[in-house]
This record gives sequence, C-alpha cells and structure tokens, in this order.
Amino acid sequence: SQQGEEDPQALSIQEGENATMNCSYKTSINNLQWYRQNSGRGLVHLILIRSNEREKHSGRLRVTLDTSKKSSSLLITASRAADTASYFCATALPSGGGGNKLTFGTGTQLKVEL
Amino acid sequence: DTEVTQTPKHLVMGMTNKKSLKCEQHMGHRAMYWYKQKAKKPPELMFVYSYEKLSINESVPSRFSPECPNSSLLNLHLHALQPEDSALYLCASSPSEGTQYFGPGTRLLVL
Repeated sequence: SQQGEEDPQALSIQEGENATMNCSYKTSINNLQWYRQNSGRGLVHLILIRSNEREKHSGRLRVTLDTSKKSSSLLITASRAADTASYFCATALPSGGGGNKLTFGTGTQLKVEL
Repeated sequence: DTEVTQTPKHLVMGMTNKKSLKCEQHMGHRAMYWYKQKAKKPPELMFVYSYEKLSINESVPSRFSPECPNSSLLNLHLHALQPEDSALYLCASSPSEGTQYFGPGTRLLVL
C-alpha cells in the first residue's frame, strides 16, 4: 500500500502558535497534495507541490517536499480557532486514462484553542 | 460554478434496498471519483471515471455499481449492502491530473 503515515496523529495548540504536520510515503509520486476536512464533511484542497519542487507557500501555509526521504511537511503559521480540522496529505499518481489516483495519509487532527 | 454537489446528504437503507447516490459538477472537469471514508480514517478511492469511461475500479464489491451518464454527472448505485458499508461517500472531480474538488459527501447508514 502506498498509504502515507502522518504524525502527529493529534495536535493541540493555542491560537497564534504554529502547527507542523509531517507526512511520509512509500513510492515515487507525481505530486503531493494537502487537504483539510472539517467534522467529517467534504475535503478542501489546500496546496499541491510537484515532485520537482521543494517548497511552496500559500498564505499562512508552507509545504516542503523531500523526495529523497519520501516526506513532506505542512506548516500553518499564526493558527486560528477556525484552523481546527483534520489534515490529510495525499500522494498522486496518474490513473492511466486521465485523472489521478490519490492515496491519502492517515491524517492529523489539529485543535486550536482560544 | 466551482462546486461539486452530492445528494442526498444522509441516507438510511436496509440490506435489501436499492438506492443511488448522485454527484454533479459544472466545472468542465473530465475526471470524476468516488471515495469511501470510515470514521476517523482517511478517504479510500473506489472508482475513477475519465471522459465518462471507468478507468479505475479499486476491487470494489459488485454491490456498488458506478455510472457516468454524462460529463457532469456521476452516480453510485447501491444494492444489497452490508452494515459495514456504512460510511461517508465522497465524490470528487478534477481537470485531468492535479487538484481534486470534493463534494460534501453522503453519510450512509445500512441497517
């Protein structure tokens, strides 16, 4: 299975602090994506980093990718209570006929307290 | 229109029932997906459709039958499900490779 492992499984921080989540995976990838999920509803795409990129920023989010170690990290700076959610990394490979096959990591549950 | 819609939001069905889940997108995406997610677990890919043709079936039991009537619609037909099939079923679409856009999901309970 290509399913990634994420750590920590759960993270509780105070508002204003930074949150870092790590993801490891097993096989070669086209790209790696991070998603957020609130309360068991739909997933929201946060950021995509391609296999030839090492770092990417989007607002308060910073993602790194180390293909030699098969790992990625997501940093959320200056966290807010609204960031409370589950965060998943997902590795992507082409599905062969178009589209891509995402394999999700185990997820990190982030709780940001006031 | 930049969203994926799913109906119904909730579904309760018996093991002998036949029901269908519906998914719709109007973003012109040519790839559509079904995922299954159990509580506190990551989503697991079930099916991928590309240009209205089934391109991936992740060894899903035949009691789940996908259908893509046109480029905007994706259905999942359910028949003779088991209680362990209770889960959140998520639909997604994408413009070929890259970001997938997810619907809010259908929460299914099989009694």
